[in-house]
Amino acid sequence: NAGVTQTPKFQVLKTGQSMTLQCAQDMNHNSMYWYRQDPGMGLRLIYYSASEGTTDKGEVPNGYNVSRLNKREFSLRLESAAPSQTSVYFCASSEEFAGQDTQYFGPGTRLTVL
Amino acid sequence: GQQVMQIPQYQHVQEGEDFTTYCNSSTTLSNIQWYKQRPGGHPVFLIQLVKSGEVKKQKRLTFQFGEAKKNSSLHITATQTTDVGTYFCGCAGNNRKLIWGLGTSLAVNP
Repeated sequence: NAGVTQTPKFQVLKTGQSMTLQCAQDMNHNSMYWYRQDPGMGLRLIYYSASEGTTDKGEVPNGYNVSRLNKREFSLRLESAAPSQTSVYFCASSEEFAGQDTQYFGPGTRLTVL
Repeated sequence: GQQVMQIPQYQHVQEGEDFTTYCNSSTTLSNIQWYKQRPGGHPVFLIQLVKSGEVKKQKRLTFQFGEAKKNSSLHITATQTTDVGTYFCGCAGNNRKLIWGLGTSLAVNP
């Protein structure tokens, strides 16, 4: 089991460029999440998907779109990157089982927008 | 809306000293989760607390959930250099979305 995988690991973009961050999980989880992490700001939820075919906005959704392609994959798209989107992006998945609802995180994508 | 405060923001200790981080929610929680993130790594689940007054131990780590289910603490006894990292609390209300504390970064001097 690979758990949660993310691609790419690093990316540098110019302002205005677009890109898609990919995330996949092999744990058969229903819920998936996209977070961004900035120094001193903790983890902030961008979007989440409670199940295949559904997505909802989190705390900081502006400038992002998501697609829950199937149960395994949840992608995050930046249509027109801005320097304020320089951050580390984490994808996570979870499944409630016996009252436990652990989130499993991917290794992250380190994005710099110039 | 729900707010979560985690203190302290940073803690620097000598190896062998104890360490405690506190997490306080403005609302009553259904559960609280603790995660550890090593420098350059990703958050990794440590434990989930559900019951009022619950205390759980993992080797040198002790986790407590307050009686009112609005606060929690993580205590590390006799820190080691392997404890270095940032400790986050994730607070769950009635829905399943976690509201995260800003984390406590622990540095340990050998």
